[in-house]
Amino acid sequence: GEDVEQSLFLSVREGDSSVINCTYTDSSSTYLYWYKQEPGAGLQLLTYIFSNMDMKQDQRLTVLLNKKDKHLSLRIADTQTGDSAIYFCAETHSSASKIIFGSGTRLSIRP
Amino acid sequence: ETGVTQSPTHLIKTRGQQVTLRCSSQSGHNTVSWYQQALGQGPQFIFQYYREEENGRGNFPPRFSGLQFPNYSSELNVNALELDDSALYLCASSLAGANYGYTFGSGTRLTVV
Repeated sequence: GEDVEQSLFLSVREGDSSVINCTYTDSSSTYLYWYKQEPGAGLQLLTYIFSNMDMKQDQRLTVLLNKKDKHLSLRIADTQTGDSAIYFCAETHSSASKIIFGSGTRLSIRP
Repeated sequence: ETGVTQSPTHLIKTRGQQVTLRCSSQSGHNTVSWYQQALGQGPQFIFQYYREEENGRGNFPPRFSGLQFPNYSSELNVNALELDDSALYLCASSLAGANYGYTFGSGTRLTVV
C-alpha cells in the first residue's frame, strides 16, 4: 500500500539545525517532496528529489534519500523563527495523478 | 506569472446543503487537482482533471464531483454536506507530466454545521 509517516513534533533552538524525518512504503515512488504550510496558508513546495538521487542541496535545505530503507529527511541549517511551520513529506510516481502526503511535522523554534 | 487562486476563502454551510468551490490555475498549467485537508492531517487526494476530464480519483464518494473549464479553471462540488466534510480544500495546478511542478492555492476553509 501507499503510506507516508512522519513524527508529529520537533522543537529546536534558533540557529541550530533541524532534521525532519519521513518514511514511505511505495518502492515505485519517483518523486519525493517536502512542502511547508504556515498557519492559515496553503502548501509551499520547498524542494523535491528524484528517486534516483541520494542528496539534494538548496541553500539552507538538504534532502537525503535512502531508497533501500525508504527514508527521506529534510535538514534546515541555521533554523530561524520564520521556519516555524508544518512540514509535509510527500511522494508520487510518474504515472500517478495523486500525491500521497504524510500527516506533517510541526516545527517550533525556541529562543 | 499568477499563482493558483481559490474562492471563497472561508464559508459556512449547513448539513445537507450543497457547495461549489472555485479554483483558477497558474498561468501555463493545464491540470488541476483537488485535496481535502482535515484539521491536523495531511492533504488527501480527491481527484484530478486534465483536458476537462477526470484523470484519477481518490477514495471519496460520488457526491464529490468536479469540473474543469477550457481556460483550465476548475470547480469542486460537494452535495449533501456532512459534518465530516469540514476541512481545508486545496487546489493544485500543474503541467501534465511535470510531477515536480505542483502549485497549491491557499485553500477554502469549509465549515459544515
